[in-house]
Amino acid sequence: KAGVTQTPRYLIKTRGQQVTLSCSPISGHRSVSWYQQTPGQGLQFLFEYFSETQRNKGNFPGRFSGRQFSNSRSEMNVSTLELGDSALYLCASSSGLTSGGIYNEQFFGPGTRLTVL
Amino acid sequence: DQQVKQNSPSLSVQEGRISILNCDYTNSMFDYFLWYKKYPAEGPTFLISISSIKDKNEDGRFTVFLNKSAKHLSLHIVPSQPGDSAVYFCAAKEDSNYQLIWGAGTKLIIKP
Repeated sequence: KAGVTQTPRYLIKTRGQQVTLSCSPISGHRSVSWYQQTPGQGLQFLFEYFSETQRNKGNFPGRFSGRQFSNSRSEMNVSTLELGDSALYLCASSSGLTSGGIYNEQFFGPGTRLTVL
Repeated sequence: DQQVKQNSPSLSVQEGRISILNCDYTNSMFDYFLWYKKYPAEGPTFLISISSIKDKNEDGRFTVFLNKSAKHLSLHIVPSQPGDSAVYFCAAKEDSNYQLIWGAGTKLIIKP
């Protein structure tokens, strides 16, 4: 099985611009989660999509939005970029289903490194 | 308010010795805990997990211990190898909630 792919891998933008990041999950996986990673802060959960619906949302401002398509591919959009948005954005794919309390692990892509100047 | 804390930003261990990475949590509703490993320029990869109904889980050189009364878990790597040098993240989830809560990570350096 092909792994999780994210495009682009690197991106440089200026303040005020907007950006769209893309994530293609593992074939058959219906859940896609997005995370922001900054040094010393671990992974901060942005949101999770399952079957084209946002199922969970973290504590990020409305400038951060996402969507999921019928083929499970997901996009994340950040509008009006700020310097503090510079981070590694990670996408994780999972079957998204729990059975008898079993957690299905998330598989991560390599991330998109966003730099805001 | 950080619900999952990894208080050591980095840890240096001699090759062949035991590495012990620690994680503390505050939410008593967490029912499942995971450890992920991350190399530079790659996404995190799943390492080992433990359910709250257990106090120990082993997988080869990796063992995770859970002390619910202390709200503490630890990852033991024995023996440590150079390829274990990476950032290790502890993560936890609440019952019936799919979202993972992550620690800040601990950078493990294995010295030859």
